[in-house]
Amino acid sequence: GNSVTQMEGPVTLSEEAFLTINCTYTATGYPSLFWYVQYPGEGLQLLLKATKADDKGSNKGFEATYRKETTSFHLEKGSVQVSDSAVYFCALVGGGGATNKLIFGTGTLLAVQP
Amino acid sequence: SAVISQKPSRDICQRGTSLTIQCQVDSQVTMMFWYRQQPGQSLTLIATANQGSEATYESGFVIDKFPISRPNLTFSTLTVSNMSPEDSSIYLCSVVWGPNTEAFFGQGTRLTVV
Repeated sequence: GNSVTQMEGPVTLSEEAFLTINCTYTATGYPSLFWYVQYPGEGLQLLLKATKADDKGSNKGFEATYRKETTSFHLEKGSVQVSDSAVYFCALVGGGGATNKLIFGTGTLLAVQP
Repeated sequence: SAVISQKPSRDICQRGTSLTIQCQVDSQVTMMFWYRQQPGQSLTLIATANQGSEATYESGFVIDKFPISRPNLTFSTLTVSNMSPEDSSIYLCSVVWGPNTEAFFGQGTRLTVV
């Protein structure tokens, strides 16, 4: 079945460093892809999304590009801030699987130090 | 998007008791889901809450342990029955507006069973 593999954390960076969190997926078709963020003590918020190959999702300085050839959707940010400290989840829906049930990666904890 | 209100936001319960979690959405939605997030882990889908019929449970989850109600298109409850410390988790409700689209989440209920 469909699955999401996500870079293990924790990832610890200094403020203004470059961030990459790797995410790859397995699907029989072409799923929609998402990044969610969970700040401490809160629920999940949608950070960005891409629904077809070569789409780039972006929000709050974060970007991710839907790469069909490498089945990847890596999250990047050019300069992280302390306020970006959170858990980041890669997820997919569809692509030969159920069209309304999201499949999540294991989550990556990001800790940004001043 | 939607405003999803979940309550209680947190609770500490005695083992053997039950807790009912409420999820209210500010507009009508067909698809509602309940997830569990165990400490330090990703999200696991418990069940799909179907309006006017029984919930559909994922493998490893049963109605006797997690009864769900969905009396209308804006409201659902999840009950965690006969609790044990292993039930200590964050429980999240979510909604989806259509196939292959993102899910929106409530802020979660942090449950501790002692």
